Amino acid sequence: DTGVSQDPRHKITKRGQNVTFRCDPISEHNRLYWYRQTLGQGPEFLTYFQNEAQLEKSRLLSDRFSAERPKGSFSTLEIQRTEQGDSAMYLCASSLASFGGVLELFFGEGSRLTVL
Amino acid sequence: ILNVEQSPQSLHVQEGDSTNFTCSFPSSNFYALHWYRWETAKSPEALFVMTLNGDEKKKGRISATLNTKEGYSYLYIKGSQPEDSATYLCALLGDKLIFGTGTRLQVFP
Repeated sequence: DTGVSQDPRHKITKRGQNVTFRCDPISEHNRLYWYRQTLGQGPEFLTYFQNEAQLEKSRLLSDRFSAERPKGSFSTLEIQRTEQGDSAMYLCASSLASFGGVLELFFGEGSRLTVL
Repeated sequence: ILNVEQSPQSLHVQEGDSTNFTCSFPSSNFYALHWYRWETAKSPEALFVMTLNGDEKKKGRISATLNTKEGYSYLYIKGSQPEDSATYLCALLGDKLIFGTGTRLQVFP
């Protein structure tokens, strides 16, 4: 399977615990995005990387959230001291950006977080 | 901040009915408008990427139009089938995708 993969698919945790999600993009894609989707809403942008550089970070991303893409391949999204409001689907997407812009994002199946 | 709105929020139709959804956005500079189809427990799947005013795209029973001057796009499904049941998302693409809230379609046999 050469699509975007995310792990774990589901995570249930207690409030205050730390969680980490991993995203493996399509191998030749240089852009990687994280989105969060809550019930009744469309996906909200969190952050994106071009290669290993984090180019933009949403105001939605509090200090408890950190994302990395150390070698420009896979990425991790860590949430520290989780709160019930963090419960959501966390989506990862990748794309190929060139001088002509970005044509299409390819999404993973998401990691669903439930904070009790 | 781009505000992408979709209507209706949800739609229930009978098998065989045709239906359409609206995506509204402020007329501004962006690379493209995307339509995605998102089924439960699956990843969002790109349906159309539209870039030019007056663009019309078609894939089987599904088609879409784009009017960048007035800031809207329509998605049409002809002869809806139960397997069309999904959430349909539109998004504007600049450096990143900005999504609307989606239209949840339920097609009953």
